[in-house]
Amino acid sequence: NAGVTQTPKFQVLKTGQSMTLQCAQDMNHNSMYWYRQDPGMGLRLIYYSASEGTTDKGEVPNGYNVSRLNKREFSLRLESAAPSQTSVYFCASSPGPSNQPQHFGDGTRLSIL
Amino acid sequence: QQPVQSPQAVILREGEDAVINCSSSKALYSVHWYRQKHGEAPVFLMILLKGGEQKGHEKISASFNEKKQQSSLYLTASQLSYSGTYFCGTAKLTGSARQLTFGSGTQLTVLP
Repeated sequence: NAGVTQTPKFQVLKTGQSMTLQCAQDMNHNSMYWYRQDPGMGLRLIYYSASEGTTDKGEVPNGYNVSRLNKREFSLRLESAAPSQTSVYFCASSPGPSNQPQHFGDGTRLSIL
Repeated sequence: QQPVQSPQAVILREGEDAVINCSSSKALYSVHWYRQKHGEAPVFLMILLKGGEQKGHEKISASFNEKKQQSSLYLTASQLSYSGTYFCGTAKLTGSARQLTFGSGTQLTVLP
């Protein structure tokens, strides 16, 4: 009963490097989300996918791209990492829109030097 | 647009009660409450939809006043396991119904 699985759990990058964070859910949920969490700022939505084949920008999309590969998988890509992108990244999924709970993965702790 | 949570932090003894508030400047469709323990993922507690409903789960309950655009989380007879950071997430009445905007959190510490 995995729920939402994120890989990797930890990563250190150098400024300018690229990287893809992977997320997969096994709950047959339609909607998936990527958040970043910085100290004292709560969770901020980067991108979301309401259903397979669609993606939309959230509150802080600059510097990121996403791909909804299929119903299970939603990846987040940093094309040219910057120190300001050092954060904890959470992937979440839900059956549908905002009247349904979101289930979170364990997070990816990303440091950019 | 971020909802405002208060207080920012609270320290309790086991058995005491606490109230955490969440206020928005926008008309709301729903309010979510999550709890996050240090180093872990947020865990869903409950959702409240517009209509002024109140929900409860064991000794944790919540209310939603849509006219005031406020929600409150009530923790009664707190247990050590209640320690963590509590976040409210709000969905606006207009615009995308899929986007949640989270508050900055309330850190709750329950001491023996």
